[in-house]
Amino acid sequence: DIVMAQSPDSLAVSLGERATIHCKSSQSLLYTSNNKNYLAWYQQKPGQPPKLLIYWASTRESGVPDRFSGSGSETDFTLTISSLQAEDVAVYYCQRYDSSPFTFGPGTRVEIK
Amino acid sequence: QVQLEESGPGLVKPSETLSLSCSVSGGSISGHYWSWIRQPPGKGLEWIGYIFFVGNANYNPSLRSRVTLSVDTSRNTFSLNLTSVTAADSAIYYCARGRGHFDQWGQGTLVTVSS
Repeated sequence: DIVMAQSPDSLAVSLGERATIHCKSSQSLLYTSNNKNYLAWYQQKPGQPPKLLIYWASTRESGVPDRFSGSGSETDFTLTISSLQAEDVAVYYCQRYDSSPFTFGPGTRVEIK
Repeated sequence: QVQLEESGPGLVKPSETLSLSCSVSGGSISGHYWSWIRQPPGKGLEWIGYIFFVGNANYNPSLRSRVTLSVDTSRNTFSLNLTSVTAADSAIYYCARGRGHFDQWGQGTLVTVSS
């Protein structure tokens, strides 16, 4: 199976500062036929289900604040929160969906410094 | 806004079958793919499988021998059966819309496997 790794495991960022989370796939998630990267990002707050933030590596889901952005291609991806807000405290997961079985990264916990 | 709600027993005995349903409201189950995902408390997420509204399904190979998904368009629900459960199957089970990325999720239901 394709393995998804995330770094760091956790990070503490001051309010208003930038938070950057990395996700690495053991195989390319880029389909050259449509030039799309099959990578999504989710946010999960305690006691809640995951919430889709980003899909196709960089397309923001409707209603997601524009401080969240996704970038990267092939095997290396990044989720950036440009100005951390208190409500952004959560665990963030990347997920590949290029082929079955779809797998998630282990998660990155984001806290306020 | 589509809403999903899981239902089923919260406690299942080892070696028995875990059965859950997901009720879809605010929209039709037709035309979409629907998935099950689980999360052991305090741990990460594992995709179980998806089903199309006409019944075609795809399962995680790690669970394929024990999992069956089904859909009932007349009741706007889809279901999960997981046989021969062990303590390792204890988790929060989520139903979600989608077969790749998942844009709507239920709140999840905790299932504990214990005698």
